[in-house]
Amino acid sequence: EVQLVESGGGLVKPGGSLRLSCAASGFAFNHAWMSWVRQAPGKGLDWVGRIKSKTDGGTTDYAEPVKARFIISRDDSKNMLYLQMNSLKDDDTAVYFCTTIAGSARRGPLGYYYGMDVWGPGTTVTVSS
Amino acid sequence: DIQMTQSPSSLSASVGDRVTITCRTSQSISNYLNWYQQKPGKAPKFLIYAASSLRDRVPSRFSGSGSGTDFTLTISDLQPEDFATYYCQQTYNTPRTFGQGTKVEIK
Repeated sequence: EVQLVESGGGLVKPGGSLRLSCAASGFAFNHAWMSWVRQAPGKGLDWVGRIKSKTDGGTTDYAEPVKARFIISRDDSKNMLYLQMNSLKDDDTAVYFCTTIAGSARRGPLGYYYGMDVWGPGTTVTVSS
Repeated sequence: DIQMTQSPSSLSASVGDRVTITCRTSQSISNYLNWYQQKPGKAPKFLIYAASSLRDRVPSRFSGSGSGTDFTLTISDLQPEDFATYYCQQTYNTPRTFGQGTKVEIK
């Protein structure tokens, strides 16, 4: 069974740091592209960023509000995804989900279609003094 | 960044109704548009990709259409388990922006 489980959430003061982890199982993690999505209380989904597989370059992309503060990394030997969050702000309070990124079998005019396929249950981060 | 606007923000419907949700993007994204369903307290579920292609095991009462800047999600014959919040997302470029969501409630 494909499974993702996030951990590491908690209460942190503004300006503080936190590292979230996502344990993956049931699939070839080293070949997977992965992402983080967050959801503030009572709000919609907010894309945080993604990391490609090492065979596809291992590159990362981030949403503007977290760029230079958050770092996504992976340890393929442990089937783990990480989100290092620094200089945390009140606005970062949210449930954080890790997801796999699935690519379609067919190509569109600009390449393959991608979507967030498997999601973890999420871990809650609260930034408050 | 590409802005995503869903309408309506919420709607009330009855079991058996046909429901349509609209997603409009601030620039053309071809058909690089996904739909997700989220129930309270749960992680989202990936329903549709490429604007109109259903993921495996998604019931055929769900359908998607559109291209360019205007897209729709239609649920025909609404079932009790379909009451949820629905989000569109563009995968034309990064950041992969989401719409603000449409909550489908029981009338």
